[in-house]
Amino acid sequence: IAGITQAPTSQILAAGRRMTLRCTQDMRHNAMYWYRQDLGLGLRLIHYSNTAGTTGKGEVPDGYSVSRANTDDFPLTLASAVPSQTSVYFCASSGGEDTGELFFGEGSRLTVL
Amino acid sequence: GQNIDQPTEMTATEGAIVQINCTYQTSGFNGLFWYQQHAGEAPTFLSYNVLDGLEEKGRFSSFLSRSKGYSYLLLKELQMKDSASYLCAVEDSNYQLIWGAGTKLIIKP
Repeated sequence: IAGITQAPTSQILAAGRRMTLRCTQDMRHNAMYWYRQDLGLGLRLIHYSNTAGTTGKGEVPDGYSVSRANTDDFPLTLASAVPSQTSVYFCASSGGEDTGELFFGEGSRLTVL
Repeated sequence: GQNIDQPTEMTATEGAIVQINCTYQTSGFNGLFWYQQHAGEAPTFLSYNVLDGLEEKGRFSSFLSRSKGYSYLLLKELQMKDSASYLCAVEDSNYQLIWGAGTKLIIKP
């Protein structure tokens, strides 16, 4: 089934550790996004990529980095995790639909202690 | 600043109709989206409005008034499976999506 796959689905890690959340899509979408979702807040954009080889900063980029070496993969790295990065992270992609709708992965629940 | 407002929580009865409102103040407007998100799951696309008026899709309809900065999502013949959060998002002049915090809809038998 075509879609977006995120890994891991859940992770607990100690503050200061490095962590990479993986995201892979097989829809050949050009645009990909990383959001975080926190209780009581709307989805907040961390980083985005409009096409392979390019990335951009979203609303809350500090403490996160991304890369887009190819169309399918868009990993998100926390270089040195802090407790405020405890959240649910969603990867999404868009492309080809007239509405510009986003297709989301199932999310990665990250807890930083 | 940019802002999307929607009620935090609503309760409705199975079989009834419910209207979820969304008001927005953004830097420009290129479209408004509604997404559904069941607890612990990913958001899924429901509707897209770029012109004023009502868009109907089965039991769900979405309305937009650009002059008033207002939209609503109308859900008819409510079913228990409609219990979810409903997210309103506006695409601004830079084609960035601004998201509301979501409305948690509770359906009671």
